[in-house]
Amino acid sequence: GAGVSQSPSNKVTEKGKDVELRCDPISGHTALYWYRQRLGQGLEFLIYFQGNSAPDKSGLPSDRFSAERTGESVSTLTIQRTQQEDSAVYLCASSLVGGAGQGPYFFGSGTRLTVV
Amino acid sequence: AQTVTQSQPEMSVQEAETVTLSCTYDTSESDYYLFWYKQPPSRQMILVIRQEAYKQQNATENRFSVNFQKAAKSFSLKISDSQLGDAAMYFCASSLAGSNYKLTFGKGTLLTVNP
Repeated sequence: GAGVSQSPSNKVTEKGKDVELRCDPISGHTALYWYRQRLGQGLEFLIYFQGNSAPDKSGLPSDRFSAERTGESVSTLTIQRTQQEDSAVYLCASSLVGGAGQGPYFFGSGTRLTVV
Repeated sequence: AQTVTQSQPEMSVQEAETVTLSCTYDTSESDYYLFWYKQPPSRQMILVIRQEAYKQQNATENRFSVNFQKAAKSFSLKISDSQLGDAAMYFCASSLAGSNYKLTFGKGTLLTVNP
């Protein structure tokens, strides 16, 4: 597609439910990133995928969070047993090669998750 | 660990005027990158400008320029000839050369442009 696509755009879920957030990167982009943006805050790094290498999961806040990516295509971020503190905008980005120093990231418009 | 601080939660500027957004950062590394991103209401982050720490020359992109003071760990963004479309949240960010896929962001500055 023309840009990074994320779905759903907005998601309201009940506390304790599991949610899946989807990211479609720009075709041909080998690197994919997930960030979280809490209200009034900057973005926090969650996870980084680069080609077939093992992902860097060091930013995932707890074991309730997991992410997968198949090859160089779609990625899903799963949050199990959601808590109110998980409420945030989840942003996905992709880039042609890994690393912000090498080239620009292209961000999607995010999924706003609200846990009630 | 890196930290990025934006001390101005909100700024405003008159259309066609110039505004400067402040950013300071802290890192013990010598090789890193600095960025300014714009986030309009659509939520999509857009790269405005990028600076490599080893380069002395300040980066410029059309009406956007930075004042990079490495010793002071300061990285301010100057927007010249401000336009209504410049209104947005602006985030300063940094990344280390060794792990430059991890961006550390400040909390942002909301820029309002008055007609």
